[in-house]
Amino acid sequence: AQKITQTQPGMFVQEKEAVTLDCTYDTSDPSYGLFWYKQPSSGEMIFLIYQGSYDQQNATEGRYSLNFQKARKSANLVISASQLGDSAMYFCAMREGDYGQNFVFGPGTRLSVLP
Amino acid sequence: NAGVMQNPRHLVRRRGQEARLRCSPMKGHSHVYWYRQLPEEGLKFMVYLQKENIIDESGMPKERFSAEFPKEGPSILRIQQVVRGDSAAYFCASSPYQSNTEAFFGQGTRLTVV
Repeated sequence: AQKITQTQPGMFVQEKEAVTLDCTYDTSDPSYGLFWYKQPSSGEMIFLIYQGSYDQQNATEGRYSLNFQKARKSANLVISASQLGDSAMYFCAMREGDYGQNFVFGPGTRLSVLP
Repeated sequence: NAGVMQNPRHLVRRRGQEARLRCSPMKGHSHVYWYRQLPEEGLKFMVYLQKENIIDESGMPKERFSAEFPKEGPSILRIQQVVRGDSAAYFCASSPYQSNTEAFFGQGTRLTVV
């Protein structure tokens, strides 16, 4: 079974509007972390936001927020006020356990912001 | 505080040659992870190392691939006798000791086998 599922291969959004990128995950470990990374066309992996499984509040970082629904095992990324520079691949990833485990990545969503 | 440094950024090798990819983790980070990304795919875990120890190599191909993280110097991912299918982007990430909340990636090395 896929550990991380991103069901939207591609998404379009109008500049200045908000967009939600979906991510669902599968784990039986009570302790885990969820991450979102942005990969622009230049190829680097840029850390956006982190949510721990025990965190009570949804994570926010500037225009990024994570809609964490633990019972549904979903960790959707919300980007508010989209900018042209947000056009990129977005990857959801999970680390299971308390320390040092590796990431499992989803297949990614390609976001295109339209002027 | 410099980020995770990978070099070279681009590497071209002929079939049968060896490829050596280097990764210097962020200062204070003692965990290093290597990932491979094939075109239009997500990153796939290869190996997890701490200084002088391989902790998890479950994602490494059984042959031709090896990794090390010596006491001094960068982590090295070595691919011997490269084949066209090894063409990919190879990313290194580092984390501090005993932390599951922080992990930062290098800019990747794009290996092209011709």
